[in-house]
Amino acid sequence: NAGVTQTPKFQVLKTGQSMTLQCAQDMNHNSMYWYRQDPGMGLRLIYYSASEGTTDKGEVPNGYNVSRLNKREFSLRLESAAPSQTSVYFCASSGFGLSTGELFFGEGSRLTVL
Amino acid sequence: KNQVEQSPQSLIILEGKNCTLQCNYTVSPFSNLRWYKQDTGRGPVSLTIMTFSENTKSNGRYTATLDADTKQSSLHITASQLSDSASYICVVSEGNNAGNMLTFGGGTRLMVKP
Repeated sequence: NAGVTQTPKFQVLKTGQSMTLQCAQDMNHNSMYWYRQDPGMGLRLIYYSASEGTTDKGEVPNGYNVSRLNKREFSLRLESAAPSQTSVYFCASSGFGLSTGELFFGEGSRLTVL
Repeated sequence: KNQVEQSPQSLIILEGKNCTLQCNYTVSPFSNLRWYKQDTGRGPVSLTIMTFSENTKSNGRYTATLDADTKQSSLHITASQLSDSASYICVVSEGNNAGNMLTFGGGTRLMVKP
């Protein structure tokens, strides 16, 4: 049982380059989330998808786009990377929504933008 | 603005000793409070979820307490082990819409030394 799988684990980009972070979950969860984690700060929500076919902005959506490809997969795209987007990105999923549902995280994707 | 403050920011203890981590929050309306353990380079993993009516909840050597009146929680670790070295994150869930409703604390970094 893999849970939540993220790729790539590490990536170095130059300013202005684009890339997509991939996330897949095998728990048949409805909701999926992308967070970023910066030193000394709590995780912040970038985008989320409450169910297949829907996406919504979180706390820090600027500079990012997402796609809920199907129930399993939720990708995060940086169209023109900036040094401020250097961070560790976590994908998470939940079966019942965040009011009661457990949140399962992937292992993270470490992104450095030069 | 909803906030979750954790203390101390970092803590060093000797193996076998007990410790207590603190979490104060201003999130309202309150739904639940969670504690996560995050090993270095890994994603957060859930330890406990506590609702308004729960005062204490245990998971092995981890015991979480919640005082919803004073909006405080603590995580007590008994007989610490080297594997307890990690960051511990307090997360509070709002009692309304799905998605953008978790507020994360900045975490307490615990180091257990032999």
